[in-house]
Amino acid sequence: GQQLNQSPQSMFIQEGEDVSMNCTSSSIFNTWLWYKQDPGEGPVLLIALYKAGELTSNGRLTAQFGITRKDSFLNISASIPSDVGIYFCAGHPLNTNAGKSTFGDGTTLTVKP
Amino acid sequence: GAGVSQTPSNKVTEKGKYVELRCDPISGHTALYWYRQSLGQGPEFLIYFQGTGAADDSGLPNDRFFAVRPEGSVSTLKIQRTERGDSAVYLCASSPARDNEQFFGPGTRLTVL
Repeated sequence: GQQLNQSPQSMFIQEGEDVSMNCTSSSIFNTWLWYKQDPGEGPVLLIALYKAGELTSNGRLTAQFGITRKDSFLNISASIPSDVGIYFCAGHPLNTNAGKSTFGDGTTLTVKP
Repeated sequence: GAGVSQTPSNKVTEKGKYVELRCDPISGHTALYWYRQSLGQGPEFLIYFQGTGAADDSGLPNDRFFAVRPEGSVSTLKIQRTERGDSAVYLCASSPARDNEQFFGPGTRLTVL
């Protein structure tokens, strides 16, 4: 099936640093989504992207839908301890049911105070 | 208002037993989704409902897995003859309609001994 390659797998950063993570696919996606998951909870949607080239911000978070429609990145600026968690990219491949999201395997973020 | 709730939060069973996992979506949400998340991986789509009908069940791994949503609200995921490989967190999500943001519940952690 569809596979999303998410990198890096984990990150250890100092509070205040900026973070960048990305997601690539071998096939075209028509929607890209970024989620955060805390321990013992379900993922929470951070940003949704619907058009190639789209750049969207949500507070300190910025995400972009790649021009090729096969990649997306998420940036977090001025990280704080509560940014700790697992970040997942997800999306809807072209010509698939929009109810069926494909997820990457996550980037685990650790922020040292 | 109340979010998506899932019961039980934890379920331990023996190989070969039958289990039922329940999902209560957000009131008024017509679309409901089931995912399975193994340790260290992203959620994997299982099935989604639009109203009472299963619109896409292509993610169900085999015929031991079945899900129902008889009144278009609560859904039950049923697993027959459980195997150790079924151990995972089973996540449920709901959305107002198919293309809207999915709101996830906290999941049911299933352990098959």
